[in-house]
Amino acid sequence: GENVEQHPSTLSVQEGDSAVIKCTYSDSASNYFPWYKQELGKRPQLIIDIRSNVGEKKDQRIAVTLNKTAKHFSLHITETQPEDSAVYFCAASRSNAGNMLTFGGGTRLMVKP
Amino acid sequence: DAGITQSPRHKVTETGTPVTLRCHQTENHRYMYWYRQDPGHGLRLIHYSYGVKDTDKGEVSDGYSVSRSKTEDFLLTLESATSSQTSVYFCAISEGFQNEQFFGPGTRLTVL
Repeated sequence: GENVEQHPSTLSVQEGDSAVIKCTYSDSASNYFPWYKQELGKRPQLIIDIRSNVGEKKDQRIAVTLNKTAKHFSLHITETQPEDSAVYFCAASRSNAGNMLTFGGGTRLMVKP
Repeated sequence: DAGITQSPRHKVTETGTPVTLRCHQTENHRYMYWYRQDPGHGLRLIHYSYGVKDTDKGEVSDGYSVSRSKTEDFLLTLESATSSQTSVYFCAISEGFQNEQFFGPGTRLTVL
């Protein structure tokens, strides 16, 4: 089955700096890659997703890039703010595997004021 | 938040007892999922449903069963709870294929 690895497991940045979280996946047939944010004690929520026919997608301060050849994708957060502090999860799924998502282990991002 | 609730929100039980968790949605979404969340493992899919009475296994389905007799309800049963099933359980729903998944508030289960 699919295996998704996520790095780093923890990331500390100063407010205003950029943060980058990287994920690799094992199944070359995977074609949908969402990112979820989970604040402490809350439920995960989708922040951005990308499909395999696109190399990059942006939404205000967040962007995701996808390299299908290398089988990795990354989340970029610019001008970080304290409210960006949370755990971020990447995930992958393929179109012939039902509607299953395989998640990475998560990255705890801490933004220091 | 999407109209999705989980019950109970907290439960403490003993090893060997059966436990049923309920997920209820008011969005009429086709897909429903059960995940467990453990430190260092992210979210792992237990079972999912793609319609009434249509379910399939996820990556960690051993020791769990599910049922979906109505669009709005998805039940997760631990047939004989073990300490390794102590976890936070999240239900999620999605409208279509590879669409956003909306998560419920979670159930914290402790098996003593």
